[in-house]
Amino acid sequence: QQQVKQSPQSLIVQKGGISIINCAYENTAFDYFPWYQQFPGKGPALLIAIRPDVSEKKEGRFTISFNKSAKQFSLHIMDSQPGDSATYFCAASAGAQKLVFGQGTRLTINP
Amino acid sequence: GAVVSQHPSRVICKSGTSVKIECRSLDFQATTMFWYRQFPKQSLMLMATSNEGSKATYEQGVEKDKFLINHASLTLSTLTVTSAHPEDSSFYICSASGGSGGYEQYFGPGTRLTVT
Repeated sequence: QQQVKQSPQSLIVQKGGISIINCAYENTAFDYFPWYQQFPGKGPALLIAIRPDVSEKKEGRFTISFNKSAKQFSLHIMDSQPGDSATYFCAASAGAQKLVFGQGTRLTINP
Repeated sequence: GAVVSQHPSRVICKSGTSVKIECRSLDFQATTMFWYRQFPKQSLMLMATSNEGSKATYEQGVEKDKFLINHASLTLSTLTVTSAHPEDSSFYICSASGGSGGYEQYFGPGTRLTVT
């Protein structure tokens, strides 16, 4: 019940396309859902996060869509660029408790 | 804002020696710090959670006597890998939360430990 399942494991998108990564959770106590971007050899960087009181949050080219009833949330990267090539992790927590991470998605944007 | 640093960025040590990794929150007071371990092409594995001035809470399967964590101030936490062995070689990452009372965790750049 503590798991966060992330898919796909890897994703290849053409430059300018939309990248979509999905996550699902079981624990209904989770109320904070961040996405992290990680480049090789670096620590994860907080990209965008959402709370369950809204269904969508947009920051620049990055959008989180949240479906509380389905217990799913997704990251959309619009106009994907080669510089977006990285590993993306979704996560969830109950309040300020420890984060539970998804398995990660390796995104490659082809020029 | 919300910058977390780690030192050193990479370290090589001999089997049997101890290594200390520092994690600092540079522009906010971190009430809670977390230590993670990450193997190549895998997700982050939480090792322990530490609150300033309290003993760390270790995740199941993590040896508290091997991975000593100290959170002596609101801006500094340390992880000491004692009697390191080659299987301890990994990427260790800390994160910090507590800035402005939010849930956000901000990660350090990581420390690559290689035990020979």
